[in-house]
Amino acid sequence: DAGITQSPRHKVTETGTPVTLRCHQTENHRYMYWYRQDPGHGLRLIHYSYGVKDTDKGEVSDGYSVSRSKTEDFLLTLESATSSQTSVYFCAISESMVGLAGVRNEQFFGPGTRLTVL
Amino acid sequence: SQQGEEDPQALSIQEGENATMNCSYKTSINNLQWYRQNSGRGLVHLILIRSNEREKHSGRLRVTLDTSKKSSSLLITASRAADTASYFCATAGGSNYKLTFGKGTLLTVNP
Repeated sequence: DAGITQSPRHKVTETGTPVTLRCHQTENHRYMYWYRQDPGHGLRLIHYSYGVKDTDKGEVSDGYSVSRSKTEDFLLTLESATSSQTSVYFCAISESMVGLAGVRNEQFFGPGTRLTVL
Repeated sequence: SQQGEEDPQALSIQEGENATMNCSYKTSINNLQWYRQNSGRGLVHLILIRSNEREKHSGRLRVTLDTSKKSSSLLITASRAADTASYFCATAGGSNYKLTFGKGTLLTVNP
């Protein structure tokens, strides 16, 4: 999975508890992303980062926060988990290079974290 | 909001047959990408086609892009059971570092 790990891989927690998911890359890519994947909704962007300490919201950011203190790590925090946040969470990385042949912005995905909020 | 919309939502074929999946999108793009996701795994990038390209090949994959119709198709020739997976299109628009994914087509290749 292109040098991307996610931890934990599975987590069951209770409503109202804080949860932090970790994404770690060894590719030194500039951009990192958190998505959630739910049946019927496909893949939706939660937050992304375009550099250390530089982050921005995606389309479903409510209830989530992120931090990136090092190039290799991107943390996703659910401050107070709710049942609607039960999902599979994917981290992705990208370099987004602009070259002679145009933009190359393929994303490489981690293995995912299955989170269940009871 | 979702930019790409794959069609059909599910496709079941026999090994050896060709599989065609379509993607429609709404706004102008810089490029369009296809990804595969095996059950329980992360997405894997398959192929990227730029807005000024009409067709691209990679092994048994053939991708076409029609920007006038805002649509793309992914053809997998001589399918194998191992091709069973969900396939997603993703578009890159004004922001080069963000992709918008469709909901995917679930392809089942029966041996």
